[in-house]
Parts: sequence; C-alpha cells; structure tokens
Amino acid sequence: NAGVTQTPKFQVLKTGQSMTLQCAQDMNHEYMSWYRQDPGMGLRLIHYSVGAGITDQGEVPNGYNVSRSTTEDFPLRLLSAAPSQTSVYFCASSYSWMTNEKLFFGSGTQLSVL
Amino acid sequence: AQSVTQLGSHVSVSEGALVLLRCNYSSSVPPYLFWYVQYPNQGLQLLLKYTTGATLVKGINGFEAEFKKSETSFHLTKPSAHMSDAAEYFCAVSDHTGGFKTIFGAGTRLFVKA
Repeated sequence: NAGVTQTPKFQVLKTGQSMTLQCAQDMNHEYMSWYRQDPGMGLRLIHYSVGAGITDQGEVPNGYNVSRSTTEDFPLRLLSAAPSQTSVYFCASSYSWMTNEKLFFGSGTQLSVL
Repeated sequence: AQSVTQLGSHVSVSEGALVLLRCNYSSSVPPYLFWYVQYPNQGLQLLLKYTTGATLVKGINGFEAEFKKSETSFHLTKPSAHMSDAAEYFCAVSDHTGGFKTIFGAGTRLFVKA
C-alpha cells in the first residue's frame, strides 16, 4: 500500500518558472491538503480539498493554484515561482473531511527557487 | 480562527529523564487536538489525538497528553526519554470554523543526551 506519494522529491527552479508538484493517494481519502514547512514556522496550510471538484484556501494560498479532478490526485501548481516559495512541501490526506480524522503525510518535496 | 502556540523551539533532556513539550491552543469551539512527530527527512506521523471523552490521551511510543480546557493546553509528556525520541514534535488543532483546516504549531525539536 503506497499511501500518499509525492513527486518530485527535489526540485530547483529559476524565478518566474512554473511547475506542478504531484500528490496521489491510494486510500480513497476524501480530504487532501498541501502544507509548506519553513524553519521556525511549522507547517502552514496552502490549499485543501474536501472531495473531487471542491477546493478551498488555507493560510498561505497566494502564488499557488490547485484543482481536484479525481479522488486520488491533488496537484499543486506554482505559476511563477519566487524565492519566497523556497520550502519543503507536504501533501496530506485523511479519510474524511471531519476534522477529528488524522492526516497521512507524504514524504515531502524540497523546492529551491533561485 | 484557531491557532496553536508551542512553547520552546528546542528542548534538551537526558536519556531516562521526563519529556515535557508544551502546547496551548485557541479555538472558539471545542477543538480536536493532535500531536505529530517528524523524524529527519520524513513526513509527519500521528502520535496521539484528542477528540472527546477522557482528557488523558495515550499515544504510541509511551507518549501521552492531557487536555486541560481551563488552561487551553494540551501538553505532551513521556516519563523516560529514549535516544530514539529525538525528533521534531508538532501540536495541531482543528475545528469546523472557517473551513475544514488542521492548523499546526511551529514545532519543538527534542534533543536526547546520552
């Protein structure tokens, strides 16, 4: 059972480039989310989805887009990368949108924007 | 909106000593509370969670946490630290106000000395 799979593990971008971070889960989870982790700031929620076709903003959504066309996939798009987006990105999912459910995390994507 | 404050970005204990990691939360409704652990170069995994009922919650690896509503606290403890406990620990809160979000604290890195 793969759980939550994130690709790529590492990525270096130049300012202004675009890219998509991939996230897939094979547990039929309703809820999926993206966090960024920065030193001293913990994890901050970027966007989340409570089901296919339904997304909403988290704490720090600016500069990021998401869509959810299937239950399994929840890609995160950076349209024009900025150095401030250098971070470690985690995708997380849970069985339902009920907030007492635990989150399952992927292993992360380390992104550097030069 | 909910928020989490973890007191102390770094905690150092000797092997065999008591571990105490502090967490205070803010929520306008009864919250769900979580502790997650992150080992180096990995995603987060759940240690324990509080939903309703008993205020003393037991988790994996000998950790436990006590929910104190009057103090808005959810401190994590372990009676005897082990070298393998060295990791970063995150307290998190979720409720349904303002969307379906789990909000994390800034994290506390635990060092265990031999």
